[in-house]
Amino acid sequence: AQTVTQSQPEMSVQEAETVTLSCTYDTSESDYYLFWYKQPPSRQMILVIRQEAYKQQNATENRFSVNFQKAAKSFSLKISDSQLGDAAMYFCAYRSEGGGADGLTFGKGTHLIIQP
Amino acid sequence: DTAVSQTPKYLVTQMGNDKSIKCEQNLGHDTMYWYKQDSKKFLKIMFSYNNKELIINETVPNRFSPKSPDKAHLNLHINSLELGDSAVYFCASSLIPGGNTEAFFGQGTRLTVV
Repeated sequence: AQTVTQSQPEMSVQEAETVTLSCTYDTSESDYYLFWYKQPPSRQMILVIRQEAYKQQNATENRFSVNFQKAAKSFSLKISDSQLGDAAMYFCAYRSEGGGADGLTFGKGTHLIIQP
Repeated sequence: DTAVSQTPKYLVTQMGNDKSIKCEQNLGHDTMYWYKQDSKKFLKIMFSYNNKELIINETVPNRFSPKSPDKAHLNLHINSLELGDSAVYFCASSLIPGGNTEAFFGQGTRLTVV
C-alpha cells in the first residue's frame, strides 16, 4: 500500500514571500500521479497542481510549482508571492496508474498561515 | 452549476439513528467516491463506484452502505450511527478511474452524532 507523508503540520509565511511545503511518499509502483489539493476554511477541496511520474519536467501553475524528485520519492510544493487567499490546508495526494478505483491516498495535510 | 453537490451540508443526529447523504455529479464522470475526513483533517477513501459497480470497499463498518441509482448519483447510507462516525464526508468524482484525471469534490457534509 502506498503512503504519503507531510512532515509539516503547520507553516507560516509573510505575505508576498515564498514558501515550500514538503511531501514524501512510499510506493513500489513506477507509474503514478501526484497531486496537491487546497482546502480553505470553506471546506471545498480544490486541485492546485498535478504531476505525472513519467514526466521529468516539474509542473507549474502560475505562482505554484513543484519539485518532483522521483528517486527520492519527494514532491514539494512551492508557492511564490504568497497571498492572503493562499491560507488553507494543503494536502499532498497519490494515485496509482492502475486505476483511480483506489482513489487518492492523502497525506495528513499542512496548515498554511499567511502573515499580512 | 455545481459540478458535485452533496446534501445536506450539515447533519446533526442522535446515536442509533439511520441517515443518508446524497451526492450528485453533472460532469458525466464514470467514477464516484466517498471520502471521510476525521477531526484531525485526515482524508481517507471509503468507497468508489465505477459505472454503478462497487470496485473498492475499504475497511469501513458494514453500517455504511453506498447506493448508486445511476451513474450520476452515489448516496451514502449509514445505519445505527455512533459517536465515532462524526466527521466530514466528501463525495467526489473523476472522469475515468485512472491516470492524472482530476477528482472533483463536493463541498462536504459535516455529520455530528450526539
